[in-house]
Amino acid sequence: EAGVTQFPSHSVIEKGQTVTLRCDPISGHDNLYWYRRVMGKEIKFLLHFVKESKQDESGMPNNRFLAERTGGTYSTLKVQPAELEDSGVYFCASSNRQGPYEQYFGPGTRLTVT
Amino acid sequence: EDQVTQSPEALRLQEGESSSLNCSYTVSGLRGLFWYRQDPGKGPEFLFTLYSAGEEKEKERLKATLTKKESFLHITAPKPEDSATYLCAAYSGNTGKLIFGQGTTLQVKP
Repeated sequence: EAGVTQFPSHSVIEKGQTVTLRCDPISGHDNLYWYRRVMGKEIKFLLHFVKESKQDESGMPNNRFLAERTGGTYSTLKVQPAELEDSGVYFCASSNRQGPYEQYFGPGTRLTVT
Repeated sequence: EDQVTQSPEALRLQEGESSSLNCSYTVSGLRGLFWYRQDPGKGPEFLFTLYSAGEEKEKERLKATLTKKESFLHITAPKPEDSATYLCAAYSGNTGKLIFGQGTTLQVKP
């Protein structure tokens, strides 16, 4: 069974540009999560999809971040325009159950904004 | 505010030297305590979930335990391949979120 995949693995962009990160969850997992880890800090929740619906987006930093999950399969996270403080590693995770159950993480996308 | 604190930040052990990693939490409505292992350049890999105080789980050289205020990850006779960052995360039933600690980076020398 394929795990969670993320693309790209690394992205370097200039301040003000746009970047789109993609996550493909484990097949059949309705729950999809986005997390972010900035330098020196812990991994923090961004948002949670159940199928194509946003269950909780309270962790999104501001309106420069837009997440979508059309059709309830893969998800994209767009940052527009990117700022320096957006640099970090963005992780995607998926789970077949909502609640206190294991979430399976992808390898992450390292975003560097210069 | 929900918070998870891990200690120590870094730990160096000789191969075979057993030790414990600590995870203290203050989380509203704890519903589960998770341990993950993370290797450089990779995502967190699930190890254990503990749901109630007194619960213990084991996997190879690792054993996780849970009390009402903290969790321990005991590593018995570690090997160099156990070197990684170990992450603790608490699931809040009140917020429905997983709260992570900063991790403990373990290095096991042969």
